Amino acid sequence: GEDVEQSLFLSVREGDSSVINCTYTDSSSTYLYWYKQEPGAGLQLLTYIFSNMDMKQDQRLTVLLNKKDKHLSLRIADTQTGDSAIYFCAERDSSNTGKLIFGQGTTLQVKP
Amino acid sequence: EPEVTQTPSHQVTQMGQEVILRCVPISNHLYFYWYRQILGQKVEFLVSFYNNEISEKSEIFDDQFSVERPDGSNFTLKIRSTKLEDSAMYFCASSETRSRRITEAFFGQGTRLTVV
Repeated sequence: GEDVEQSLFLSVREGDSSVINCTYTDSSSTYLYWYKQEPGAGLQLLTYIFSNMDMKQDQRLTVLLNKKDKHLSLRIADTQTGDSAIYFCAERDSSNTGKLIFGQGTTLQVKP
Repeated sequence: EPEVTQTPSHQVTQMGQEVILRCVPISNHLYFYWYRQILGQKVEFLVSFYNNEISEKSEIFDDQFSVERPDGSNFTLKIRSTKLEDSAMYFCASSETRSRRITEAFFGQGTRLTVV
């Protein structure tokens, strides 16, 4: 079945770049998403990329998609302590219902 | 900015009781979803709803669960007889369509359900 995998933890220093990686199995995914979850809060949509794109940039965020390897990454430039959160990768599955398959989330810890 | 709102933020219920979790999706959205996240685990899809009917449901969404859009704005998830393992954060989400394509899904803040 469809699956999305992420590493569980990443620690960086404030000001450094963070790169959070994700792999997925469904080659027919149309959209891939990054969500952010702060402690006790809901899922905030950060950005998404359509499967015919290789890269998308949005201010400090850069999403790279390698469709051949089914690999997605999120780069956060100049990481701030406010970026500390859990980051979820998700793929839209191939059905027409808009259902999302989530990874287990990567906890990003930003040290001052 | 429009947002998905969920109530209550936290619900504690006795095992075997019925609970109703409420959501108000973004007003021009047509697709509605419930997901749940058991503590420390992945966010899991429960059900999607479109045009006043369920369009897809997961194995988790058994006969104990039901969804309803009782009026033009609310979208509810009912759990008929709660079990301890139903304790989780429940997220509602909604999506619009552009050019017949479902676009991004926006999530509510979640309802933390604790079954005791």
